[in-house]
Amino acid sequence: SQQGEEDPQALSIQEGENATMNCSYKTSINNLQWYRQNSGRGLVHLILIRSNEREKHSGRLRVTLDTSKKSSSLLITASRAADTASYFCATDGETGNQFYFGTGTSLTVIP
Amino acid sequence: NAGVTQTPKFQVLKTGQSMTLQCAQDMNHEYMSWYRQDPGMGLRLIHYSVGAGITDQGEVPNGYNVSRSTTEDFPLRLLSAAPSQTSVYFCASSYFRQGYTEAFFGQGTRLTVV
Repeated sequence: SQQGEEDPQALSIQEGENATMNCSYKTSINNLQWYRQNSGRGLVHLILIRSNEREKHSGRLRVTLDTSKKSSSLLITASRAADTASYFCATDGETGNQFYFGTGTSLTVIP
Repeated sequence: NAGVTQTPKFQVLKTGQSMTLQCAQDMNHEYMSWYRQDPGMGLRLIHYSVGAGITDQGEVPNGYNVSRSTTEDFPLRLLSAAPSQTSVYFCASSYFRQGYTEAFFGQGTRLTVV
């Protein structure tokens, strides 16, 4: 399976703290993307990082990518209660169109 | 612009029954796909299509059929439902631009097979 893994599986923090979650994957990739899923809802695209990039920022999000270790991290700074959700990393397949998702990190931000 | 629309949102089936999960997108995307999401397993790719008339298998295709007669629609068929197919199903459409693919997901169909 090409499925990746997120670490930790669950994370609980206080509002205002930073949240870091990690993703490991198995095969070479073109891109890695992070998605958010609120309970009972579909997935929402957050950010994409290409294989030739090492770090990318978008608002309160910072993503890093280490292709030598086949890993990525997502940092959410100054977390808010509204950030409570599950977060998934997704890597593209050989054709660039297939997505392979990790198992997800469930983040709870306590007000 | 509705994006990706899945129907139904909830469904209960008896073992052996058949049904079709509908997925439609209005963004003119060539690529569409179906995933199932199970606790602790993340999302797993069932089938995908790179354009009308073209489909291919993903990671977990057994027990599911798809067809793609139009760009807009990509239905997923369960011919003989089994309890192991109890899951939440997501349809996605995506496009490829500037060297990357961005996917848009439907809200999901929660299927229970009893």
